[in-house]
Amino acid sequence: KQEVTQIPAALSVPEGENLVLNCSFTDSAIYNLQWFRQDPGKGLTSLLLIQSSQREQTSGRLNASLDKSSGRSTLCIAASQPGDSATYLCAVWTGTASKLTFGTGTRLQVTL
Amino acid sequence: DVKVTQSSRYLVKRTGEKVFLECVQDMDHENMFWYRQDPGLGLRLIYFSYDVKMKEKGDIPEGYSVSREKKERFSLILESASTNQTSMYLCASSLGLTDTQYFGPGTRLTVL
Repeated sequence: KQEVTQIPAALSVPEGENLVLNCSFTDSAIYNLQWFRQDPGKGLTSLLLIQSSQREQTSGRLNASLDKSSGRSTLCIAASQPGDSATYLCAVWTGTASKLTFGTGTRLQVTL
Repeated sequence: DVKVTQSSRYLVKRTGEKVFLECVQDMDHENMFWYRQDPGLGLRLIYFSYDVKMKEKGDIPEGYSVSREKKERFSLILESASTNQTSMYLCASSLGLTDTQYFGPGTRLTVL
């Protein structure tokens, strides 16, 4: 059974810092990995999708990497801003399960 | 832009009531999903649908049913609401089954 872990559960950084969020998964037989952002009380917003054959995806200040063999992904946010404060979730699509399995998220706070 | 809407942001119901949650997407997506989100448990898949009138059980289908009579609309039904169904319910849609999922704003359901 696929398990997705995100550590730490919460992170606080000063504005302007580059930061890294971590995601690990137990079953490497994935189709893709997706990163989402969730603001309090709201739905999820898709940030990046990395196919299993890819190593990296970039969108603006966001860069996501995937190391399928070690079961790890990172989401890097450059030059963080207070508006980046949110919970970040990663999810993997596992072929055997035919569904997205979500981690419980990292709650990020960017302080002034 | 993909838009996924949910019928209510907040809902309060009594134990034993039949509850309908509706989700509508405007991008002609084939696939639609219902999740519930609880603190510490993350997002868990209740049901999904890959075509009109087609449905598949997710991880926690007990106490729920779904209906998809039209491509754009996917309804979640709580046959007899119970207090342990108090949760945030999130609907999502995607074009291909493993593609990026687009989420609605969520419905926070309280069952008293």
